Amino acid sequence: GQNIDQPTEMTATEGAIVQINCTYQTSGFNGLFWYQQHAGEAPTFLSYNVLDGLEEKGRFSSFLSRSKGYSYLLLKELQMKDSASYLCAPMDSNYQLIWGAGTKLIIKP
Amino acid sequence: GAVVSQHPSRVICKSGTSVKIECRSLDFQATTMFWYRQFPKKSLMLMATSNEGSKATYEQGVEKDKFLINHASLTLSTLTVTSAHPEDSSFYICSARDESGTSEIEQYFGPGTRLTVT
Repeated sequence: GQNIDQPTEMTATEGAIVQINCTYQTSGFNGLFWYQQHAGEAPTFLSYNVLDGLEEKGRFSSFLSRSKGYSYLLLKELQMKDSASYLCAPMDSNYQLIWGAGTKLIIKP
Repeated sequence: GAVVSQHPSRVICKSGTSVKIECRSLDFQATTMFWYRQFPKKSLMLMATSNEGSKATYEQGVEKDKFLINHASLTLSTLTVTSAHPEDSSFYICSARDESGTSEIEQYFGPGTRLTVT
């Protein structure tokens, strides 16, 4: 079957760094997306990895290891507005996104 | 970047009535659009894949006669919740794939529609 595993909730301090891990199992693989979702809003795109390695984009970086079925999202210089849910979504062989429940990130001052 | 709109953003309806939700790609053409439903603190659940000019593909467990999908043009897909019940109350989100660009597989999400059935 297809499965996503992320921590349910994480807490971090403003200005700090946090890493959100994701392990996945899918039928085929066409890359992995990270989305941010604020409460009551639709997801917004953060990153896409299709090859192994680290992709850096400003304060956010995303890493992928296809052989391990593992990805992480790294958030630096945390701001209060980063409080949201972070969704790891691999894409299967049919180009469908597979969704988990996401990780709720709480930022404290 | 690509923009997807949804209308209405919020709707309250009475049990037994039907509600139509529109999803539009504003600056690109979308052959494929997706309809999701999300309950509080739960993951997005794909309901159906909407294909322009053909029938939608529904996920297992989703009643096609209850959730009518029409993708009549390359920029518009509609979801009609027929004979709505309180358990249909949820956050409905559409997304569209811009297949004309270099990032053909990225999905752009609409802002969502909060449906409350009383």
